[in-house]
Amino acid sequence: RKEVEQDPGPFNVPEGATVAFNCTYSNSASQSFFWYRQDCRKEPKLLMSVYSSGNEDGRFTAQLNRASQYISLLIRDSKLSDSATYLCVVNAFNFGNEKLTFGTGTRLTIIP
Amino acid sequence: NAGVTQTPKFQVLKTGQSMTLQCAQDMNHEYMSWYRQDPGMGLRLIHYSVGAGITDQGEVPNGYNVSRSTTEDFPLRLLSAAPSQTSVYFCASSSQNYGYTFGSGTRLTVV
Repeated sequence: RKEVEQDPGPFNVPEGATVAFNCTYSNSASQSFFWYRQDCRKEPKLLMSVYSSGNEDGRFTAQLNRASQYISLLIRDSKLSDSATYLCVVNAFNFGNEKLTFGTGTRLTIIP
Repeated sequence: NAGVTQTPKFQVLKTGQSMTLQCAQDMNHEYMSWYRQDPGMGLRLIHYSVGAGITDQGEVPNGYNVSRSTTEDFPLRLLSAAPSQTSVYFCASSSQNYGYTFGSGTRLTVV
């Protein structure tokens, strides 16, 4: 089983719709969680951290479920500019060192 | 601030050649790392460093060397390039728990 698993998609969603992605992780010692966005042929960029209480940043909402070991990302009122690959990232600390594990990404295309 | 700067952006090597990918950050981050990204594989950690003078191996270290003589710089050396090292390479830096800042990447082709 992969340490971090995501549905690769692609998700083709009409503009204005709501879309949600899930990501599961296998290491129960994982301590911090992130969503990154990666545009085609560009570097990943931090979209948002994910907290146990859930957090929201404009149209984006992230949730963490430690018991079931998954995190989610919800995008409301999707825009054409949201088209990208979304990477789920899980951070575990092992003997004081970080171990950042990336999912393979979920590809999202917003259709006009 | 420039953030994380990687050079070169593109490189073509012949099998057996060596080269160094450069990475520099100006955010005074202690933690730096190198990843490679291949289709369907996600980002995989090659080497990382938790501070000047300290480096360690990641998930896929074979064929690569690193050093960290200063906080700012973290070069990645390919000792004898192989076609399997054709990939996109990203350098990243972070301060603890604040997520990673990535460089713009180096697209390497080994022929």
